[in-house]
Parts: sequence; structure tokens; C-alpha cells
Amino acid sequence: GENVEQHPSTLSVQEGDSAVIKCTYSDSASNYFPWYKQELGKGPQLIIDIRSNVGEKKDQRIAVTLNKTAKHFSLHITETQPEDSAVYFCAASLNNAGNMLTFGGGTRLMVKP
Amino acid sequence: DTAVSQTPKYLVTQMGNDKSIKCEQNLGHDTMYWYKQDSKKFLKIMFSYNNKELIINETVPNRFSPKSPDKAHLNLHINSLELGDSAVYFCASSQHSTGELFFGEGSRLTVL
Repeated sequence: GENVEQHPSTLSVQEGDSAVIKCTYSDSASNYFPWYKQELGKGPQLIIDIRSNVGEKKDQRIAVTLNKTAKHFSLHITETQPEDSAVYFCAASLNNAGNMLTFGGGTRLMVKP
Repeated sequence: DTAVSQTPKYLVTQMGNDKSIKCEQNLGHDTMYWYKQDSKKFLKIMFSYNNKELIINETVPNRFSPKSPDKAHLNLHINSLELGDSAVYFCASSQHSTGELFFGEGSRLTVL
């Protein structure tokens, strides 16, 4: 089955700096890669996703890049703000199938004001 | 209005007991899920269910069973609770099995 590894497990940045979280996956057939943000006491929420037919996607301060050859994808957050502090999860699946999403281990991002 | 709501939010119980966690979604989705998040924050799928198909993660003990009275509800019933069942359980839903997942706020289960 699919295996998703995520690094780092914790990341501390100064407000205004950029943050990068990286994930690798094992199943070359995976073609859908969402990122979820989990705030304290809440359930995860989708913030951005990318499919294998594109290499990069951007939405305001967040962007995701995908390297299918190397089987890794990354989340980039620019101009970080304290409200970006949360746990971020990457995931991978075949055909955007929620019942086949494999999550990474999560990254706790702390943005210091 | 909460899109995916689950109750109770906290549940403390003794080993060996049977308990249920309820989940309701008002998004009109046809697929619902249960995920388990352990103390290290790992999120693992337990069940995926729509009105046609139940998919069970093969690693889930058969003490866990999903029950769906209708497509807006998917409850999780757990028999003979064990210490290792302590975790946060998340319900989620999506439109078809290929849509964005919408999670509830989680139910923290503590087994003593």
C-alpha cells in the first residue's frame, strides 16, 4: 500500500518568514495530493491540493509543488502569520479517493510573533 | 451551522465497556468516514461508507463497527474497549468517494 512520509515533524519560524513542509510517497500510481490544516481542538481542513497533471499550484500565500519523478511534494507558506500556527498534514491517493487517502505524520508549525 | 458534528466531544470510560460515538453531516454528502488519530497525531482511515459500499481498513479490529441509519449519519460502535483504543476519532464526509473531505471536530476517547 501507499506510504507517505512527512518532514519536519515540528517547524518554528518567525512571523513573516517562509515555511516549507516536504512529503514523499511510495506508490507511483498516486495522483492526488491534498494538504490539510488542523487547528487546535478542530478537525483537519483542506487548504490546497494538487493533481499529478500539474507541477505547481498557488493560492495566495500558499503553494504546493509536485515532483512525480522523485515522488515528493511540498507545501510552501510565505509571509507566515501567527494564525498559520497549526498541524499540517499531507496526503496521497489514487483518483482523489477519500477512502484511499494515506496521510503523512503531520508537521506542527509554530509562527512566533 | 456545523457541517459535520460528532458527539460526544469527550468520552472517558473503563476497559471492557461498550461505547458509541455519533456523527451527523448536513452537507448532503453520500460518503462518510471514520478516522483515528493517535497520540502522535497519525491519522488513519478506519471505515469508508456510502449507501452502496462499506470499505473497512483491514487493520481495524472487529470490535469496531460502523452503523448508518441513513446517509446523513454514521455512528461508530466499539465493543470491549481496550487501553489502546484511546485516541481522537474523527468523522468526515465527502460528496462521492472522490470529493474533498470535511471533518468533524473529533471525539477524544480515553480508556482507563
